[in-house]
Amino acid sequence: EIVMTQSPVTLSVSPGERATLSCRASQSVNSNLAWYQQKPGQAPRLLIYSASTRATGIPARFSGSGSGTEFTLTISSLQSEDFAAYYCQQYNNWPLTFGQGTKVEIK
Amino acid sequence: EVQVVQSGAEMKKPGESLKISCQASGYIFNNYYIGWVRQMPGKGLEWMGIIYPEDSETRYSPSFQGQVTISADKSVTTAYLQWISLKASDTSMYYCAVGVGVAIRPEFWGQGTLVTVSS
Repeated sequence: EIVMTQSPVTLSVSPGERATLSCRASQSVNSNLAWYQQKPGQAPRLLIYSASTRATGIPARFSGSGSGTEFTLTISSLQSEDFAAYYCQQYNNWPLTFGQGTKVEIK
Repeated sequence: EVQVVQSGAEMKKPGESLKISCQASGYIFNNYYIGWVRQMPGKGLEWMGIIYPEDSETRYSPSFQGQVTISADKSVTTAYLQWISLKASDTSMYYCAVGVGVAIRPEFWGQGTLVTVSS
């Protein structure tokens, strides 16, 4: 099973600032990596797939990069609605696995 | 656009059986899949398994193999998640998610079904 490790666990950021979230895979997942956002009481929302492609309707301030084992999600200028939990997920190998999540909170 | 609707919250006793559902509607391609994700209280997301309703091909994550059964009825574009004998540790939110193809990174999610198991 591929283990996905996200860092940091919690990220404190001021509105308007840049946020950088990391995700590391225990072995290569090529570019088969997705990012999801989850707000309290809501279902996850797909933000990024194929490591760097924004899903339908996702604002341009969200960007993804990386391949192999190291991936990054960047939120260029945090808006109030972006404070949430973020999860990476690999879909290169079965079983599919998520990272443990990064909570982005208001500083 | 695809809409995904899950059945309502359930409260059960240990040892009872349960089947929850997830219906997809809208513009759905032939090779769509429906997957199930568990989220225990205050915890992260875990993939349980997926099914392709067109041919009933099913895959389970090892942690859930033998613990649950995933099935589908393609005539109503609905998938099901079933337990024979619930445990208190099955208390969780269960999400279903719908996508297309072999790349399992679903764009369309249900609202979640909260299952509470308590004596």
